[in-house]
Amino acid sequence: EDQVTQSPEALRLQEGESSSLNCSYTVSGLRGLFWYRQDPGKGPEFLFTLYSAGEEKEKERLKATLTKKESFLHITAPKPEDSATYLCASTSGGYNKLIFGAGTRLAVHP
Amino acid sequence: DGGITQSPKYLFRKEGQNVTLSCEQNLNHDAMYWYRQDPGQGLRLIYYSQIVNDFQKGDIAEGYSVSREKKESFPLTVTSAQKNPTAFYLCASSSRDRVDGYTFGSGTRLTVV
Repeated sequence: EDQVTQSPEALRLQEGESSSLNCSYTVSGLRGLFWYRQDPGKGPEFLFTLYSAGEEKEKERLKATLTKKESFLHITAPKPEDSATYLCASTSGGYNKLIFGAGTRLAVHP
Repeated sequence: DGGITQSPKYLFRKEGQNVTLSCEQNLNHDAMYWYRQDPGQGLRLIYYSQIVNDFQKGDIAEGYSVSREKKESFPLTVTSAQKNPTAFYLCASSSRDRVDGYTFGSGTRLTVV
């Protein structure tokens, strides 16, 4: 069964303290690995798509990487405005649907 | 601006009542999706549609129904058969090449009273 697992469930950081979020996936025939940011009471906002092992993408303080079994979202020198839930999703059975992990709730304190 | 509009933002349902959640997109996307989000769980797929007048069940379709009469619209009805409907409902759409994943609406929070 295709599955996406994120860890940790919650992460508390001090402003400027870099860290990484993990997304492990077990899917047949991965076609894309997606990262989203979700603020409370709002819909997810697209961040990155990764297609193959070794691929990396960056946006401001965020960098996403992909291996054959997992993806990491690295946050460098985070600021309080980076506080949100970060969701990972992978394609399942083609692009017809995405399956999501439960998310990592990130809190960055000044 | 192009995007997805969900309405209402908050919805209250009485026991035994059917309610309909609206989802409209002006992105010219072919595919549309409905997800349900519960605390501590990932988004779970309810229904999806790749073209007008066609839709497929997702992982948790029981107690829900949809229609796709127009490319821009994909309403979701939560029927009285859905025993635990309190949740945050998200509508999404995507293009054929899907290089940017899905675009999500802002969600509807449904509460049973």
